Formats: sequence, C-alpha cells, structure tokens
Amino acid sequence: GALVYQYPRRTICKSGTSMRMECQAVGFQATSVAWYRQSPQKTFELIALSTVNSAIKYEQNFTQEKFPISHPNLSFSSMTVLNAYLEDRGLYLCGAGNSAETLYFGSGTRLTVL
Amino acid sequence: SQLAEENPWALSVHEGESVTVNCSYKTSITALQWYRQKSGEGPAQLILIRSNEREKRNGRLRATLDTSSQSSSLSITATRCEDTAVYFCATASSGSWQLIFGSGTQLTVMP
Repeated sequence: GALVYQYPRRTICKSGTSMRMECQAVGFQATSVAWYRQSPQKTFELIALSTVNSAIKYEQNFTQEKFPISHPNLSFSSMTVLNAYLEDRGLYLCGAGNSAETLYFGSGTRLTVL
Repeated sequence: SQLAEENPWALSVHEGESVTVNCSYKTSITALQWYRQKSGEGPAQLILIRSNEREKRNGRLRATLDTSSQSSSLSITATRCEDTAVYFCATASSGSWQLIFGSGTQLTVMP
C-alpha cells in the first residue's frame, strides 16, 4: 500500500536556528507533495505545493526564503524551517499524491522551538 | 471565519453506539473528503464523496453530501474504542490543490 514516512518525528530547536525535515513516499510515486502545518489547535495551513518539474507554489504568508523545499524525485521531498521562532511551532505534515483527492499523509514532524 | 467547519467540537459515546459528525463549508467544491487523525499520527482519508454524489459508504462509515445546503455528515455505526480520533472534513475546488480542512471534531469512544 501507499505509505508516507516523515522524519524526524519530533525535533526541538533553539530560537533562531534552522531545522530540516524529510518526507518519503513508499509504494507509490507522488507527482506532488503538499506541505501543511497543523497548529496546536488542530487547524491546518497549506505552506506550499511542490510538483516535480514545476515551480514550487507557496501560499500567502509562507515564502521560499523561510521554508525552502527540495523535491528532486517522485518519492522524496524535504523542507527546511529557517530561523525558527515560537510562531513556527506545530506539526508539519507532508501529503504526497497525484491529486488533491488522493493525498497520503505522513505522521508529521513536530517542531518545538525554545 | 472558517471555510469548512465541523460540529460538534467534541463528543463522547460508548462502544457500540452510533455517532454522526457534521460539516458545513462555504466554497464551491468538486469533492469533499473525511479524514481521521489519531493521536500522534497524520490524517488518514476515510471517504471521498464527489459533488455529484449524495451518499458514500465505507464499511461502518457513511458520508452524505448536500451541495444545496453546503453540508456533509459522517456517520459511524457500532463504534469501537479505536475510532477515538479527531475527524476532519476537507474540501477541494476544481483546479485547486488546496485542501481546506475544518477545525475537527474530537470523538472519544469509551468502553
């Protein structure tokens, strides 16, 4: 079956430092990866949509300068949170698939910022 | 305000009982999805119901969609403790990759 692995599962970083998270699709090929952030209140924000061989599309309030994404092939994507601060904390979810109707989500990377 | 919203915010039932979670949305959609998120996990899709469908079933789950009132419901029969999770509805519009999630309903199934 289709599985999506995210790592690390949780990470703690000091305010102002950066951390990288990875997303691996197993058992299927994902043309697109959508990165979401889920707040402690459980609300979802779409950060960006990355499609292989296309430009990465960032949503309002999220930029490439802050959340650079790499998506080199159909099974792997990574995102970095640069200069993390308290407001960046949350659960970062990677949804991989070939359409918005068939997104498979990983378990997320929980970011805590001290 | 939220573009998609579930209600109630939380509910508790005993094992074996049936339960219904409702969702209202504010955009034009091509499909509506119900997701379940268990503690420590990412959301997992339960049912996808397209805008031209009125009902969809998946085992103990039944989803309905009413595009005229922009609402959907997810019913779970014969609930089990492992059904304890947050349930989200999510909508997608034509040509858009953006999945708009509601804020979720916390369902607790007690023994």
